[in-house]
Amino acid sequence: DAGVTQSPTHLIKTRGQQVTLRCSPKSGHDTVSWYQQALGQGPQFIFQYYEEEERQRGNFPDRFSGHQFPNYSSELNVNALLLGDSALYLCASRAGTGVNSPLHFGNGTRLTVT
Amino acid sequence: GESVGLHLPTLSVQEGDNSIINCAYSNSASDYFIWYKQESGKGPQFIIDIRSNMDKRQGQRVTVLLNKTVKHLSLQIAATQPGDSAVYFCAETLYGNKLVFGAGTILRVKS
Repeated sequence: DAGVTQSPTHLIKTRGQQVTLRCSPKSGHDTVSWYQQALGQGPQFIFQYYEEEERQRGNFPDRFSGHQFPNYSSELNVNALLLGDSALYLCASRAGTGVNSPLHFGNGTRLTVT
Repeated sequence: GESVGLHLPTLSVQEGDNSIINCAYSNSASDYFIWYKQESGKGPQFIIDIRSNMDKRQGQRVTVLLNKTVKHLSLQIAATQPGDSAVYFCAETLYGNKLVFGAGTILRVKS
């Protein structure tokens, strides 16, 4: 049973460019969340998708957008990249929304902006 | 504002000893708490969780204690092994919404 899978594992972009990160949730999971983890810090919530809609959003600018597809997979898009966007981007999934169950995380995409 | 903090950024223990990692949370309304372990180059891995209507929960070699009076959470690892070396995060949530993570505690196990 595959867990949460993310691609690519590493990515290098130039300031001002745009990036798309991809995530496939764990089998049986329909809710996908994205987190940003700066070096030496805990993950910070970006947004959550359920039934192809953004259900919650953290304190991130509109440059960060996402999408969820009918098969529950998800994409995170970041426009006009800044140096400060360099981080590990984590995707997490669970079954259902508004329920207290653990999020299962992927191994992330390491984004470096130069 | 919402925050989850940790008292000790780095904890060093001898192999075989018990480890205790502490966490203070700020949102008294949080109803669900999770401990994650993160190894280098990997995503957070679920260890154990506890709901706010409980004060203790045990897993395999791990125990989580919740003290709602002082808004304190702890993770106890019995007979710590080298494979336990990692960064440990506590996280809190309300109604299954976004997880709020702390900064993490580095656990180093000395052989």
